Amino acid sequence: QQQVKQSPQSLIVQKGGISIINCAYENTAFDYFPWYQQFPGKGPALLIAIRPDVSEKKEGRFTISFNKSAKQFSLHIMDSQPGDSATYFCAASSDPLGGRTGNQFYFGTGTSLTVIP
Amino acid sequence: NAGVTQTPKFQVLKTGQSMTLQCAQDMNHNSMYWYRQDPGMGLRLIYYSASEGTTDKGEVPNGYNVSRLNKREFSLRLESAAPSQTSVYFCASLRWQGSSYEQYFGPGTRLTVT
Repeated sequence: QQQVKQSPQSLIVQKGGISIINCAYENTAFDYFPWYQQFPGKGPALLIAIRPDVSEKKEGRFTISFNKSAKQFSLHIMDSQPGDSATYFCAASSDPLGGRTGNQFYFGTGTSLTVIP
Repeated sequence: NAGVTQTPKFQVLKTGQSMTLQCAQDMNHNSMYWYRQDPGMGLRLIYYSASEGTTDKGEVPNGYNVSRLNKREFSLRLESAAPSQTSVYFCASLRWQGSSYEQYFGPGTRLTVT
């Protein structure tokens, strides 16, 4: 059973456009929602993350929008560039001890983004 | 500062053979993880270690064992490899910093079981 559902599976965007990737979850115990970027042949890299006490977080061209009531969150990449072409994963985590112990991260199935010049 | 290193990078095994995947981090992180990545499945947690001396099962632990040798090293062992274990394996380490965390993944081990 997939704990975090991600869509679309693939996305093609023109340079300068907005890329939007969506994720949904069911477990209300999740309290941390990161996004990862992965280039071919490399390990994932943490891109940006949000906690459910805020509805939006922005870092440069990357923005997470979070809708707690709908149990959905999305990644927006503004002014998409060919260098953004990669696979993006959303994830969710919960940690009852507030981060002072190990915790499990549940990943979405990934979105392959291609930005056309 | 090498981050997270994994060995080997590639491996081909025959069904029934055993092997150990090695992982080491030099960032003094407490938590370490082993994931497998399969097409269309995302990353799935095999085992994790919250701190030195502790290990816990993740989503897909069957067929695997782990050892947290010390704070730096976390190894994953396949006792009797099966074709279903053909995958890319990633090790990761993590440290919480206040309300966020610092996390790094290794470059991966590409394992094929024939």
